[in-house]
Amino acid sequence: QKEVEQDPGPLSVPEGAIVSLNCTYSNSAFQYFMWYRQYSRKGPELLMYTYSSGNKEDGRFTAQVDKSSKYISLFIRDSQPSDSATYLCAMSAQGGSEKLVFGKGTKLTVNP
Amino acid sequence: GAGVSQSPSNKVTEKGKDVELRCDPISGHTALYWYRQSLGQGLEFLIYFQGNSAPDKSGLPSDRFSAERTGGSVSTLTIQRTQQEDSAVYLCASSRQILNTEAFFGQGTRLTVV
Repeated sequence: QKEVEQDPGPLSVPEGAIVSLNCTYSNSAFQYFMWYRQYSRKGPELLMYTYSSGNKEDGRFTAQVDKSSKYISLFIRDSQPSDSATYLCAMSAQGGSEKLVFGKGTKLTVNP
Repeated sequence: GAGVSQSPSNKVTEKGKDVELRCDPISGHTALYWYRQSLGQGLEFLIYFQGNSAPDKSGLPSDRFSAERTGGSVSTLTIQRTQQEDSAVYLCASSRQILNTEAFFGQGTRLTVV
């Protein structure tokens, strides 16, 4: 079993839809959870960062962490065509970016 | 510079040749990271630097891979005797310090070994 599992999709939704992306993990030592967005032929950019369990909201984006279930989610409200990208979850047992363990990414397309 | 710069952006090399990939981190960032992204795979951690020191090299896939950083700035990732399985996008990131999760990625070097 891989440390981090993420459904690669692809996921296609109409503009304005609520998008739910998620990852599961097996390493109970993970404490720091991140979501990155990667446009085609670009480097990943950090979207959300959460520590331990709980929710975090930033504009149209909400990140949720459920450590008891080893499950994290990213919700995108009022999705826009510009949200079309690959979304990568990442996590680490330490506070730094070193040894971030990434999911394979979910490719999202938002259709106008 | 304004962001993390990687060169070359694309590299095609023959199997068995050596290649050198370069990363210019954001000015003032002390931590620098190398990742590899293969088709259909997630990002795979290779190595990180704190200053010029690489405390953890365990992610390097084989002894054909090496990396160095000089002057606390530019880093080079060298792959010797390239193999076809080395074909991937090599991503570099930097952050202000090692415990800073705000890591900024470059656009990567797309390496193709033919």
